[in-house]
Amino acid sequence: GAGVSQSPSNKVTEKGKDVELRCDPISGHTALYWYRQSLGQGLEFLIYFQGNSAPDKSGLPSDRFSAERTGGSVSTLTIQRTQQEDSAVYLCASSRPGDETKNIQYFGAGTRLSVL
Amino acid sequence: AQSVSQHNHHVILSEAASLELGCNYSYGGTVNLFWYVQYPGQHLQLLLKYFSGDPLVKGIKGFEAEFIKSKFSFNLRKPSVQWSDTAEYFCAVNARISGAGSYQLTFGKGTKLSVIP
Repeated sequence: GAGVSQSPSNKVTEKGKDVELRCDPISGHTALYWYRQSLGQGLEFLIYFQGNSAPDKSGLPSDRFSAERTGGSVSTLTIQRTQQEDSAVYLCASSRPGDETKNIQYFGAGTRLSVL
Repeated sequence: AQSVSQHNHHVILSEAASLELGCNYSYGGTVNLFWYVQYPGQHLQLLLKYFSGDPLVKGIKGFEAEFIKSKFSFNLRKPSVQWSDTAEYFCAVNARISGAGSYQLTFGKGTKLSVIP
């Protein structure tokens, strides 16, 4: 079956512009995560959606970052007024319903964002 | 705060050498532990996991990891590396960040492994 799909794969934007990054999770996966991967910094948790529950936004670095998940499936991460420090690879992951302590997350290929 | 430390930023080995990548975490409660691997140009994928039971877990491609609770460690090992093992390796811990919060997967900063043929 299809894996986690992210688009675009690469995005170059100018400082101050808004960008939208899209994630299609694996069908049937109720949990969806966004991470940011910066060079030498590992993966930084951004936001977590589980079914119809309110998302855990504790990892969003500023109010310029927001995310939605429509219909419990596709998610969009929006970064407003982009800054150069937002340049990174943005990864999306999804996991099956069930015991969230043991969830195995399946990752997409990521969107590489470059802010000029 | 929960954290995961990977001791080595970049490891360079010759083929057939043995590998051990260190991972320590700082969390006193029940944890579930993972190693993920990212091959060049590919997405992150699960290498192995520990939930409970035998602290020595085996994963794909001959990798294994040992959970030592007293040392808060989950080191990754492979007896004999191959050029195809060149990748970045991430240790991760899944635990509840705060009393009422969701479980989060906290990643280490990764160790880049370069295997020289």
